[in-house]
Amino acid sequence: DTGVSQDPRHKITKRGQNVTFRCDPISEHNRLYWYRQTLGQGPEFLTYFQNEAQLEKSRLLSDRFSAERPKGSFSTLEIQRTEQGDSAMYLCASSSVHDTHNEQFFGPGTRLTVL
Amino acid sequence: QKEVEQDPGPLSVPEGAIVSLNCTYSNSAFQYFMWYRQYSRKGPELLMYTYSSGNKEDGRFTAQVDKSSKYISLFIRDSQPSDSATYLCATRNYQLIWGAGTKLIIKP
Repeated sequence: DTGVSQDPRHKITKRGQNVTFRCDPISEHNRLYWYRQTLGQGPEFLTYFQNEAQLEKSRLLSDRFSAERPKGSFSTLEIQRTEQGDSAMYLCASSSVHDTHNEQFFGPGTRLTVL
Repeated sequence: QKEVEQDPGPLSVPEGAIVSLNCTYSNSAFQYFMWYRQYSRKGPELLMYTYSSGNKEDGRFTAQVDKSSKYISLFIRDSQPSDSATYLCATRNYQLIWGAGTKLIIKP
């Protein structure tokens, strides 16, 4: 396993379109996180899964955003009716519940541009 | 007030200099502190991890936590151009709470 992977790496879409991103965590990791990062800022937490259960959602996650992890492995993040303010880097991270430090390993991110 | 404050820089220093990067945090209950390095258009990677107060050294990197002043630092000795990146401090409860990141430029 080479780490957390994300697909696509870049996405350009028009305002109002729906987009979906995929994250494949490190295979033995049962925790998965989504963050959003805008230029010059640190990542902002969006949501967190342990196995297939979505345990936490940020207030930032409006009803246009939905995340799933149906089989406790890969996860998808969908944004409906995209807005220009959604333009950002979307980062996925994973960690193991057995790691007492809960170190999170990050993927390369999906950069979204909404025109 | 943000929970973790970090000067965004940029900080530009000559190669070989000692670099000092700093953050402050607001919640005295935080116990775990991390430094991540992020290259342009990449995800963050964990550099250093400390628990509670004290120092931790790893090669050219030293992380320092002063809980009495709620101040965390990362020192880089013998800085190199390949150290040029954005350095993000973070702490956590059940999720990571990040500073804005400091852009570091090491000039050859």
